[in-house]
Amino acid sequence: DGGITQSPKYLFRKEGQNVTLSCEQNLNHDAMYWYRQDPGQGLRLIYYSQIVNDFQKGDIAEGYSVSREKKESFPLTVTSAQKNPTAFYLCASSRSGTATGGSNQPQHFGDGTRLSIL
Amino acid sequence: GQQVMQIPQYQHVQEGEDFTTYCNSSTTLSNIQWYKQRPGGHPVFLIQLVKSGEVKKQKRLTFQFGEAKKNSSLHITATQTTDVGTYFCAGTPRDTGANNLFFGTGTRLTVIP
Repeated sequence: DGGITQSPKYLFRKEGQNVTLSCEQNLNHDAMYWYRQDPGQGLRLIYYSQIVNDFQKGDIAEGYSVSREKKESFPLTVTSAQKNPTAFYLCASSRSGTATGGSNQPQHFGDGTRLSIL
Repeated sequence: GQQVMQIPQYQHVQEGEDFTTYCNSSTTLSNIQWYKQRPGGHPVFLIQLVKSGEVKKQKRLTFQFGEAKKNSSLHITATQTTDVGTYFCAGTPRDTGANNLFFGTGTRLTVIP
């Protein structure tokens, strides 16, 4: 069954600690994305990767880091520099990271990780 | 910077009533996508509109893309309890080669049985 798996579902971070959120996809998609969702708000892009070994900052990259060493994996690290990390984090993927003829690829989302501060 | 606003933020309707959410972009869009997020769930892709003035229907859902490609709407006819959730529009600015989406603030729909 193809899809996107995020783990853990719930995560707690202590002050000054880095934590890593996992995102794995078996859809053979080239592009992957990380979003942050705060209560009552839309999704804000943290980082995206159009292809393996390449990634770009989104709108709110400060305090976060990513890697894309394998096509199927795009882990997100929330560093201690992120002062307000409590949020719902969503990973997504799309077949391609580029638009074609004015049309974009739909994004497929994982079930998310809820991160809280202890 | 790019902004995509949606109104209303919340909408409560009686089952059987119609519902509409509106999406407005600060810049011209190449296309617009709509997603639905059920309570406790993740966004699920519904549809993409690409052409100016385009209208698409999915059963009781009607999606429209404005002539200027800066606004869009989603209309649900005769709502059902299964329509409950938050509806997001997501646009891609014109002339952007990347597949990045700017999500709207969302409209949370509650359907009262």
